[in-house]
Amino acid sequence: AQTVTQSQPEMSVQEAETVTLSCTYDTSESDYYLFWYKQPPSRQMILVIRQEAYKQQNATENRFSVNFQKAAKSFSLKISDSQLGDAAMYFCAYRSAENAGNMLTFGGGTRLMVKP
Amino acid sequence: NAGVMQNPRHLVRRRGQEARLRCSPMKGHSHVYWYRQLPEEGLKFMVYLQKENIIDESGMPKERFSAEFPKEGPSILRIQQVVRGDSAAYFCASSPRTSGGPEEETQYFGPGTRLLVL
Repeated sequence: AQTVTQSQPEMSVQEAETVTLSCTYDTSESDYYLFWYKQPPSRQMILVIRQEAYKQQNATENRFSVNFQKAAKSFSLKISDSQLGDAAMYFCAYRSAENAGNMLTFGGGTRLMVKP
Repeated sequence: NAGVMQNPRHLVRRRGQEARLRCSPMKGHSHVYWYRQLPEEGLKFMVYLQKENIIDESGMPKERFSAEFPKEGPSILRIQQVVRGDSAAYFCASSPRTSGGPEEETQYFGPGTRLLVL
């Protein structure tokens, strides 16, 4: 079974600064997807960014980028030019692309606080 | 294109009552997933359904919980004889397919139903 670990329960960043959220995972599969979801106080789950394991190039979406290290099974999220609206819980998630099971496996989350 | 719809957004039940949670997937999506989020925790997979079929229910408690996704209408997560430990946020997600590339397989979430059992 796959596991996803987010070792930082809370992180804090100054507005306009850059912050990196960590995520590691454990799997024996070679083909999979990794995701970062944001959960603001409204509790809505919002997709931030997606990475395909077969792609070496790191995914980017505007101010959000990832550092995907497949050999190390690491998938960190970098938020540049942090904004107050970035304050939320961030969840890292894994999904197999090999097996019939299509569920997402989530980490425990990191609460990001943005200081004005 | 409307997103994933869930209702009710908040549901209060007394112990022993039944809870029915509804999920309408995004237009064009035929795959539905239910997840549960306990306070201060991440989401945990419960069940994966396609129209009229349960594909994977490995995360569902063996008793009191059931799910369906009929040919017509929303997907329903049903909890019978609720207990206080069932208090949680229940999220539904949908995807167009489960193969065919990252966009086809990405799951999009509804706003969740917050169940409180008194």
